Amino acid sequence: GDSVTQMEGPVTLSEEAFLTINCTYTATGYPSLFWYVQYPGEGLQLLLKATKADDKGSNKGFEATYRKETTSFHLEKGSVQVSDSAVYFCALRSGFQKLVFGTGTRLLVSP
Amino acid sequence: GAVVSQHPSWVICKSGTSVKIECRSLDFQATTMFWYRQFPKQSLMLMATSNEGSKATYEQGVEKDKFLINHASLTLSTLTVTSAHPEDSSFYICSATSSGSGANVLTFGAGSRLTVL
Repeated sequence: GDSVTQMEGPVTLSEEAFLTINCTYTATGYPSLFWYVQYPGEGLQLLLKATKADDKGSNKGFEATYRKETTSFHLEKGSVQVSDSAVYFCALRSGFQKLVFGTGTRLLVSP
Repeated sequence: GAVVSQHPSWVICKSGTSVKIECRSLDFQATTMFWYRQFPKQSLMLMATSNEGSKATYEQGVEKDKFLINHASLTLSTLTVTSAHPEDSSFYICSATSSGSGANVLTFGAGSRLTVL
């Protein structure tokens, strides 16, 4: 079945550092890909998404490109802030099927 | 924006008791709600999908008599863990979508942590 693999955390960075959180997927069809973020004490929020190959999703300085050839959707940000500390979930959805999540990666940004 | 509220945010109960978790959409009508379970360092696993006014659809391996889901109104769904045991301890998360929001728009609650002693 469909699955998502993302890097284990926590990822610890200093403010203004470059961020990459790796995400790869396995799917039988052509899924839509998502990154969700969960800030402490809050629900998951959609951060960005891409619905087809080579699409780039972006929001709040974060970017991720749908790479069909490498089945990847890595999350990047050029300069992280303390306020970006959260848990990030990569997810996929094939058609109207259920969302399949990765295990989540905790990001800790220190001043 | 759309908000989903879960209550309680954490609960501790004795083995053998039942626990009810509520999921409310505060500013929209949720035609479909989803219940997830998350174990430490693992993915969110979909437990069931519930549509307002009809029986929930459970994922394979999820005991429907153990995890009772009721979606009686367009703003409220409840998950009742019956005769809870320590292995039911987990983080339970709900999400909701409305019929007009498109297939990919989900709003998540903050989750409810259940600890069974």
